[in-house]
Amino acid sequence: QSALTQAASVSGSPGQSITVSCTGTSSDVGRYDYVSWYQQHPGKVPKVIIYDVYKRPSGISNRFSGSKSGNTASLTISGLQAEDEADYYCSSFTIGSTYVFGTGTTVTVL
Amino acid sequence: EVQLVESGGGLVQPGGSLRLSCAASGFSFSSYWMHWVRQVPGKGLVWVSRLYTDGSRTSYADSVEGRFTISRDNAANTVYLQMNSLRADDTAVYYCGRGARDDFYIDSWGQGTLVTVSS
Repeated sequence: QSALTQAASVSGSPGQSITVSCTGTSSDVGRYDYVSWYQQHPGKVPKVIIYDVYKRPSGISNRFSGSKSGNTASLTISGLQAEDEADYYCSSFTIGSTYVFGTGTTVTVL
Repeated sequence: EVQLVESGGGLVQPGGSLRLSCAASGFSFSSYWMHWVRQVPGKGLVWVSRLYTDGSRTSYADSVEGRFTISRDNAANTVYLQMNSLRADDTAVYYCGRGARDDFYIDSWGQGTLVTVSS
């Protein structure tokens, strides 16, 4: 149950698009379309922003989108805004019927 | 409104035990998987355990298997995490979360309770 691999930080200017990657294995990300993404602002609890690879919960901006190719999932934030500055975590269901989170990526808006 | 309120955290010595509780309200508790997730302050999220609606199925992270036990009382709308043989690296904020209905993610989170393992 090793953590999924994410870049420690990604940054972009307001209005730009950025992509956060999440690399797992054939036992988790590559096996199931049950990848979710969580946003966590400092001092706050996590909030799901993408589930089942690309689906958005009600109320989540369509600036957030998800995709997957092989063992790597991606979160794209388009039209970057100051309020998007936060930590982002991917998560996947695994072959062992457990879950695993990514190492987390801090998104900075320049 | 979905509410999850954790309690039971605190300071415990290495090798000791602690039981966390998570009181749920605002939804049909007995219809949902429930999870525990932990986070060392300033660090990343780590999934700990989950429990099926009727308590018949559980799963655990390798790091807590055999030491932690998840359970629930559907009459009391509460999920528990019994933590035994605690180690310093169990120190974290523990969140309970509701598993999304018929899906594989956490759709609601509590505010968390801090567990500190130290002598």
